[in-house]
Amino acid sequence: QLLESGGGLVQPGGSLRLSCAASGFSFSSYAMNWVRQAPGKGLEWVSSISSRGGGTYYADSVKGRFTISRDDSKNTLYLHLNSLRGEDTAIYYCTKEREVVTIGVPDYWGQGTLVTVSS
Amino acid sequence: DIVMTQTPLSLSVTPGQPASISCKSSESLLQSNGKTHLYWYLQKSGQSPQLLISEVSNRFSGVPDRFSGSGSRTDFTLKISRVEAEDVGIYYCMQSMQLPSTFGQGTKVEIK
Repeated sequence: QLLESGGGLVQPGGSLRLSCAASGFSFSSYAMNWVRQAPGKGLEWVSSISSRGGGTYYADSVKGRFTISRDDSKNTLYLHLNSLRGEDTAIYYCTKEREVVTIGVPDYWGQGTLVTVSS
Repeated sequence: DIVMTQTPLSLSVTPGQPASISCKSSESLLQSNGKTHLYWYLQKSGQSPQLLISEVSNRFSGVPDRFSGSGSRTDFTLKISRVEAEDVGIYYCMQSMQLPSTFGQGTKVEIK
């Protein structure tokens, strides 16, 4: 199970921290991903973090503004969103990686948390 | 980035009839180890996406066998042999040959 939290309304230029509490699998063994979906739009991969935090990867659209991290002791994934823009408005999904050896391939998805950037 | 292009963008199907969605990638998704990194997801209305097919043709756990995937390198197809009411939603193909993973625009499947 993946349970996101932390979304909400934030002004342009503001910050948020999204959290994703994971359960039911060996969290530390899998890479994890964030995928977002703007209202009425398609899916966009945002960021991935390898198992045990060995590597982090970002879409160009968020590089330098978002930071992905994980706390394996708490089975929790994070996404720190800074310098937010209107185009960051979206549902943010936490996703589990399909296999221990892959990255960027979600199998299970959380229910999502809505981030709205507006003044 | 690898561009994924789906056709058609919408599909209206009579229950019990087949349906087919095409997905084309701008680069080959065949890795040197023989794996092809093409996946299919279904997003039902108001729900999170769910994985249907991995590596072109492998159905994910619990996915009915009326769903099948085929294709190679840059051209792929998702087929539903007999569409049921529960199959409505938006279908996305996705590549993970290289990051960023990229999705097709989505194909909306409706029931006539």
